[in-house]
Amino acid sequence: AQSVAQPEDQVNVAEGNPLTVKCTYSVSGNPYLFWYVQYPNRGLQFLLKYITGDNLVKGSYGFEAEFNKSQTSFHLKKPSALVSDSALYFCAVRDNRGSQGNLIFGKGTKLSVKP
Amino acid sequence: DTEVTQTPKHLVMGMTNKKSLKCEQHMGHRAMYWYKQKAKKPPELMFVYSYEKLSINESVPSRFSPECPNSSLLNLHLHALQPEDSALYLCASSQDRLGPDTQYFGPGTRLTVL
Repeated sequence: AQSVAQPEDQVNVAEGNPLTVKCTYSVSGNPYLFWYVQYPNRGLQFLLKYITGDNLVKGSYGFEAEFNKSQTSFHLKKPSALVSDSALYFCAVRDNRGSQGNLIFGKGTKLSVKP
Repeated sequence: DTEVTQTPKHLVMGMTNKKSLKCEQHMGHRAMYWYKQKAKKPPELMFVYSYEKLSINESVPSRFSPECPNSSLLNLHLHALQPEDSALYLCASSQDRLGPDTQYFGPGTRLTVL
């Protein structure tokens, strides 16, 4: 079955420290992986995606993600967290079964950055 | 420009009302989506339109009726909703339905059913 797992409901980080939000996936074939961020009462904002090529993907607002095929992971990282990064983060994978194509989302991870 | 707009931002309706949600994009995308999102949960796919034709209906109750009048517009008609239908309704679009194209989301409509 195609799926995405975000093992942490919440991640707490002090401002200025590095942050990691974890994501693992299970798909058949090559995965198309995405990270989105959602601020309260707002829509999802696209951060970055992995299609192919370099395993380190750089995205918006200083975020990056590392694709690891052997561990089937796509963890989101940032070298220095900001209080304004506090939000709900979703990892997603494109459902590449047949004619589907829709996104399969993880349950989300709430990131809290304290001053 | 990667903007998807949605109107209204907020909507309160009774269970006997008929209302519509609207979504618009001018990115030339040919796939458009409706999602339902409950608080602190991931979005749940409701409908997918590809080239203005309904491609996916995720077993959504008939009180939700989607419409795609043209390639830039997507509507969701609501009728006889239940209180449990209260949620954030998100619209998204992508260049195509398949492949690695990014889905861009609108800000959502916060729906409350009384």
